[in-house]
Amino acid sequence: DQQVKQNSPSLSVQEGRISILNCDYTNSMFDYFLWYKKYPAEGPTFLISISSIKDKNEDGRFTVFLNKSAKHLSLHIVPSQPGDSAVYFCAASEIGDKVIFGPGTSLSVIP
Amino acid sequence: DSGVTQTPKHLITATGQRVTLRCSPRSGDLSVYWYQQSLDQGLQFLIQYYNGEERAKGNILERFSAQQFPDLHSELNLSSLELGDSALYFCASSVDSPARNYGYTFGSGTRLTVV
Repeated sequence: DQQVKQNSPSLSVQEGRISILNCDYTNSMFDYFLWYKKYPAEGPTFLISISSIKDKNEDGRFTVFLNKSAKHLSLHIVPSQPGDSAVYFCAASEIGDKVIFGPGTSLSVIP
Repeated sequence: DSGVTQTPKHLITATGQRVTLRCSPRSGDLSVYWYQQSLDQGLQFLIQYYNGEERAKGNILERFSAQQFPDLHSELNLSSLELGDSALYFCASSVDSPARNYGYTFGSGTRLTVV
């Protein structure tokens, strides 16, 4: 039973446009949500997080939105750059520090 | 270089064998986490150690075990290997626990192939 879902395995976006990556979760006890980026042959790299008491967190070109009532979060990348092409993992944690990862979405930014 | 070192990078072994994966956390980090990524799967949490003690356990098989040593490096032992154990195994570290609001630092992984 997947507690963190990323229903789009892949996404293609034109350079300069907005990339929107979506994530849904089922566990209402999750209190932190994180996004990681992964390039081939490397480990995941932490991008941005959001607490469940907030609905938006912004860091440069990256913004994460959280809709608790819908159990949905999204990562917006504006503007998208070719170097953003990677696999993006949504992750969530509850008290106890166990972090559950989604299956990932592969983003391709086309020059 | 993330500062988290995993060895070996690649490992090929036969079914029924036992292997040990090693992880050196980033300098100053006390917490170590192990994750498994199988083909087309997300990262599955296996186990976490904090300053030498087991802190959290995930979907870790009984054939697998781990420990964290006094110098804070960690080893993941996989025994009676099966074909389905072929995967990327990632180690991550963090300064403290919980680290959920600022994320972990991951190593580049060990690719295990069981033949």
